[in-house]
Amino acid sequence: GAVVSQHPSRVICKSGTSVKIECRSLDFQATTMFWYRQFPKQSLMLMATSNEGSKATYEQGVEKDKFLINHASLTLSTLTVTSAHPEDSSFYICSARLRGGNTIYFGEGSWLTVV
Amino acid sequence: EDKVVQSPLSLVVHEGDTVTLNCSYEVTNFRSLLWYKQEKKAPTFLFMLTSSGIEKKSGRLSSILDKKELFSILNITATQTGDSAVYLCAVYTGTASKLTFGTGTRLQVTL
Repeated sequence: GAVVSQHPSRVICKSGTSVKIECRSLDFQATTMFWYRQFPKQSLMLMATSNEGSKATYEQGVEKDKFLINHASLTLSTLTVTSAHPEDSSFYICSARLRGGNTIYFGEGSWLTVV
Repeated sequence: EDKVVQSPLSLVVHEGDTVTLNCSYEVTNFRSLLWYKQEKKAPTFLFMLTSSGIEKKSGRLSSILDKKELFSILNITATQTGDSAVYLCAVYTGTASKLTFGTGTRLQVTL
């Protein structure tokens, strides 16, 4: 199946700093990428939807100035957590929709710990 | 607001049992329903269903969609300990172009 690569898989950062997570579709073009956050033993919560070349659409309650999403090309989207706080510690997962299709594939996820 | 509900929330079975996981939905502009298996990391894709009544099968797993009654089931026969995971159901809607997830069913298969 299609491969979505997410990097880094684990990151620890200090409170107040910013951290960037990359999501790449390795063998297909993804017109739409999605960013999710997952708390322990809970389901995935959609944070934002990003379409290549346009601004991301954020879900209600998600601060767009704090979670910056850039979808610069058909194979790359980035999520930057700015001025991170311990409560931002979570598992962040990206997914990509196959261009022209409905199947959505997930990256491996990134564990963020803010200390 | 789009809603996807899964049941049961958790399930413990013995190896060799057959299990049925349920997913019901209320969404606007349904396009497809997807099943994922999540172990320690991100979900892995199992099935995508778009048409009613057509069973999709992969080994011991199968799934079917009922668009009239707005639900889907995921069956696992002859369960193995490796099937232990959280099974997520998600509905892809065209209007908002997003995937809405259910709460998941946590399956534990014991020896």
